[in-house]
Amino acid sequence: DGGITQSPKYLFRKEGQNVTLSCEQNLNHDAMYWYRQDPGQGLRLIYYSQIVNDFQKGDIAEGYSVSREKKESFPLTVTSAQKNPTAFYLCASSMMPGQRGQRNTEAFFGQGTRLTVV
Amino acid sequence: GNSVTQMEGPVTLSEEAFLTINCTYTATGYPSLFWYVQYPGEGLQLLLKATKADDKGSNKGFEATYRKETTSFHLEKGSVQVSDSAVYFCALRTGGYNKLIFGAGTRLAVHP
Repeated sequence: DGGITQSPKYLFRKEGQNVTLSCEQNLNHDAMYWYRQDPGQGLRLIYYSQIVNDFQKGDIAEGYSVSREKKESFPLTVTSAQKNPTAFYLCASSMMPGQRGQRNTEAFFGQGTRLTVV
Repeated sequence: GNSVTQMEGPVTLSEEAFLTINCTYTATGYPSLFWYVQYPGEGLQLLLKATKADDKGSNKGFEATYRKETTSFHLEKGSVQVSDSAVYFCALRTGGYNKLIFGAGTRLAVHP
């Protein structure tokens, strides 16, 4: 089945540690995104990538890093510089406008990773 | 800048009641509009979408009409069920980058 897989579902981090969240998609989508969700709040964009080996900062990129070495994969690293990392992290992917003739496309989301600092 | 404003929750309804969740937007150009639903502990699922003015998106009994004159995309359902309890997000996408901009979400609780 095609879809987006995030792992792990739950992740615990000690103060000062870096952790990496995995996101893999087999939908052949060019674009991938990372969002952060805090309780009672909407989704805020961390990073996004439209093509392999290229990515852009979103609204809250400080303390995070990403890579896009393969089309299928877009891992997110939460660094020790992120002062308040406890949150629910969501990965998404979509076709780009024009990809396969599509003009408007929606984003598909993974099941999320809940990160807690202990 | 582009933004989405949703009515604050929680919205609490009895089963079979009529649902409206208001959503208004600010955007340059002609955005596409979406409603996503999030069940507890899960990611977001697309509920419905509309890509141009006067389009009506519909799915699972939910509907929303893209109203350019009022910059609105209100979500409605004629008869809610307990299984509709979730958080609903309104979102827009504009421009070539395909980024989604989300509202804060509205929690719906439906009681038997």
